[in-house]
Amino acid sequence: GAGVSQSPRYKVAKRGQDVALRCDPISGHVSLFWYQQALGQGPEFLTYFQNEAQLDKSGLPSDRFFAERPEGSVSTLKIQRTQQEDSAVYLCATSGIYNSPLHFGNGTRLTVT
Amino acid sequence: GQNIDQPTEMTATEGAIVQINCTYQTSGFNGLFWYQQHAGEAPTFLSYNVLDGLEEKGRFSSFLSRSKGYSYLLLKELQMKDSASYLCAVRDNAGNMLTFGGGTRLMVKP
Repeated sequence: GAGVSQSPRYKVAKRGQDVALRCDPISGHVSLFWYQQALGQGPEFLTYFQNEAQLDKSGLPSDRFFAERPEGSVSTLKIQRTQQEDSAVYLCATSGIYNSPLHFGNGTRLTVT
Repeated sequence: GQNIDQPTEMTATEGAIVQINCTYQTSGFNGLFWYQQHAGEAPTFLSYNVLDGLEEKGRFSSFLSRSKGYSYLLLKELQMKDSASYLCAVRDNAGNMLTFGGGTRLMVKP
């Protein structure tokens, strides 16, 4: 596709369940970022990949959060034992050459009940 | 660390001009971005400044002063569809990660 694609668009999970959020980047985009956006707030950085290498995971809020990008293309953000405070929109963004703008997907809205 | 401040909300009238300010204190700087985000949608890229001065792109312009840690986004001839959140973001020295401000929600009234 032409843009960054995220699935599912909406996810409702019971507290304690595990969830997996998928991001399909723009073809050829080397850099991939995950952000968390609470209602009415700006996106908060979670983690960054360059190809398959996870270069920065300093924003992951706890060890319940895990991200991977095994072949340097599709990425998955996994949240184990979800808690209510995990409820947010999870945005994936990718970029091509150095210093180019980030292109965002529409996000996955996660609601933990 | 990074600290980026912008007003939470602004209101303006259709056809008018509005200026959204952004101040930042960051440990590294490699460019400032403005994004527009409509409710429930992805942020979309508006403008990029890495050198001091004004960048103009149609009805939207963005200004940067690196010495003052200050930027603004200027929207002219406001339209109802410009009602959205406007996000200011700073890129770090490594040229990768963007750190975002909290966003300014702009409401355009008839």
